[in-house]
Amino acid sequence: DAEITQSPRHKITETGRQVTLACHQTWNHNNMFWYRQDLGHGLRLIHYSYGVQDTNKGEVSDGYSVSRSNTEDLPLTLESAASSQTSVYFCASSEREGPYNEQFFGPGTRLTVL
Amino acid sequence: DQQVKQNSPSLSVQEGRISILNCDYTNSMFDYFLWYKKYPAEGPTFLISISSIKDKNEDGRFTVFLNKSAKHLSLHIVPSQPGDSAVYFCAAAVSNFGNEKLTFGTGTRLTIIP
Repeated sequence: DAEITQSPRHKITETGRQVTLACHQTWNHNNMFWYRQDLGHGLRLIHYSYGVQDTNKGEVSDGYSVSRSNTEDLPLTLESAASSQTSVYFCASSEREGPYNEQFFGPGTRLTVL
Repeated sequence: DQQVKQNSPSLSVQEGRISILNCDYTNSMFDYFLWYKKYPAEGPTFLISISSIKDKNEDGRFTVFLNKSAKHLSLHIVPSQPGDSAVYFCAAAVSNFGNEKLTFGTGTRLTIIP
């Protein structure tokens, strides 16, 4: 069955370190997204991609970067981790453009920055 | 500035009764609305959606109502079942072609009491 996976599921890191969160989908979807979930904020869009070599900034992109070298993967990099980036991160994908198309979410990565 | 608001962080309902979850929005450009359901340690899953050209959409036990003049939508679950216990996120979008951005509310934790 097609799926979307995230790794690691839990990560503890120190302030200033570079961290990369992996997202892999086997749906063959063109569109992929990264969100963070924080108490009092719901899910907020960090970056998104409509296809290979395409990346776009979302609502809360500062301190994060993504790259899309193939259809299946959209890794999220925290260039220099900060305590404010402690959060739960969700990756999602959808088949076609437009909000009418269901976004499928991964199980999430809980990141703690000490 | 929270454009999509879920003012009730939690709600408890007896099994078999109706659960009503509410969502308010401030951006009059939003014309497509979705509800996602999230279990602990899992990613959100799509539940039901509604376009602004409708005022009601029904899918089995789930019905979403949209009141555009009040900028308010609600999700009704009838009858409520223990498996409905989860966090429910309301989301809104402007359905311009290529616009994937979903704005999420902060979520409401629904607990169904057996």
